[in-house]
Amino acid sequence: KQEVTQIPAALSVPEGENLVLNCSFTDSAIYNLQWFRQDPGKGLTSLLLIQSSQREQTSGRLNASLDKSSGRSTLYIAASQPGDSATYLCAALLLTQGGSEKLVFGKGTKLTVNP
Amino acid sequence: GAGVSQTPSNKVTEKGKYVELRCDPISGHTALYWYRQSLGQGPEFLIYFQGTGAADDSGLPNDRFFAVRPEGSVSTLKIQRTERGDSAVYLCASSPTRGWGYTFGSGTRLTVV
Repeated sequence: KQEVTQIPAALSVPEGENLVLNCSFTDSAIYNLQWFRQDPGKGLTSLLLIQSSQREQTSGRLNASLDKSSGRSTLYIAASQPGDSATYLCAALLLTQGGSEKLVFGKGTKLTVNP
Repeated sequence: GAGVSQTPSNKVTEKGKYVELRCDPISGHTALYWYRQSLGQGPEFLIYFQGTGAADDSGLPNDRFFAVRPEGSVSTLKIQRTERGDSAVYLCASSPTRGWGYTFGSGTRLTVV
């Protein structure tokens, strides 16, 4: 059974700091890995998607890496801003031979960026 | 539409009542998913539709939960005889096809009192 773990559960940093969020998964047979942002009381906003054949993806100040063999992904945020404060979730996509698919989520890292 | 729309955004119901939660996916997206998120947890899979059929309903917790997608677009999640433990945020997502990235709606916050 695929399990996704995110460390740390919460992180508080001063504005301007670079930071790394960690995600690990137990089953390396993932199809892709997706990072989401969730603001309080809101739905999920997709940030980056890394296909299993890729090593990393970048969007603006965000960079996500994927190492399937070690079962790890990281989300790097450069020059953090107070507006980056949110919960960040990683999710591994599994495909089954029966034609199904499902995202398995971690519990998230709650990030607070202090002005 | 431009995004995934879920209605209502909030629903308060009494224990034992029946509720329906609606999801309008992005136009043209054939894959549709329901997830449930409890406080402090990541979303958990409930059911996956490919077109009109439920390709995988293994995440539905029991037979009080049922979902339909009769015309391959709008989906309704139905919960019978609601219990307090059903209180959670119910999230819907859609995708152009199997294996692509998901777009989530804002969710329906269900509170059973």
